[in-house]
Amino acid sequence: SQQGEEDPQALSIQEGENATMNCSYKTSINNLQWYRQNSGRGLVHLILIRSNEREKHSGRLRVTLDTSKKSSSLLITASRAADTASYFCATANSGYALNFGKGTSLLVTP
Amino acid sequence: NAGVTQTPKFQVLKTGQSMTLQCAQDMNHNSMYWYRQDPGMGLRLIYYSASEGTTDKGEVPNGYNVSRLNKREFSLRLESAAPSQTSVYFCASSPTGGAGANVLTFGAGSRLTVL
Repeated sequence: SQQGEEDPQALSIQEGENATMNCSYKTSINNLQWYRQNSGRGLVHLILIRSNEREKHSGRLRVTLDTSKKSSSLLITASRAADTASYFCATANSGYALNFGKGTSLLVTP
Repeated sequence: NAGVTQTPKFQVLKTGQSMTLQCAQDMNHNSMYWYRQDPGMGLRLIYYSASEGTTDKGEVPNGYNVSRLNKREFSLRLESAAPSQTSVYFCASSPTGGAGANVLTFGAGSRLTVL
């Protein structure tokens, strides 16, 4: 069954603002990943954070992981119109494949 | 470098018809996956292949079969399509899977409509 649950389901901000989306999960994990999906396209990997890490950065992306609360957040700083997409968290546990959440739809308006 | 290539991109079937979705990757990845994406449901795993010669069921395998033809190719077959199988299907691959750093590379998707 699906492991991650993103919040909010939809987010609308203006260019230049920061966007924060959250992911909660239910069981212990080995790593947590974030993916982006532009409309009508496949998913693209953004960042991976391991269970023993608390924070990770990649360009304008900042991911945090709190294993005690079973939650993660993705922060996109200084958002651009090109960041408009759906964002999914995915967890890897003792099973083989990744389990994806239902996604957060981000709209960045000029 | 094409990555993961899926064919066809679009397909319309009638209930009861059969078809095969093709997937090929050129990254020498060991593991391959088939997901379906439905509105409000996110991505759900149908089948996966940890390595050439092996396949395993995912969360929603009923109504589907798969074949790992070789290391590059992983096909998904609908033997008797049903309207409930209307969805967007994504193939993905990763260098490895399981507890390793299984970062997935996705294809562009195949949109299937069953009437």
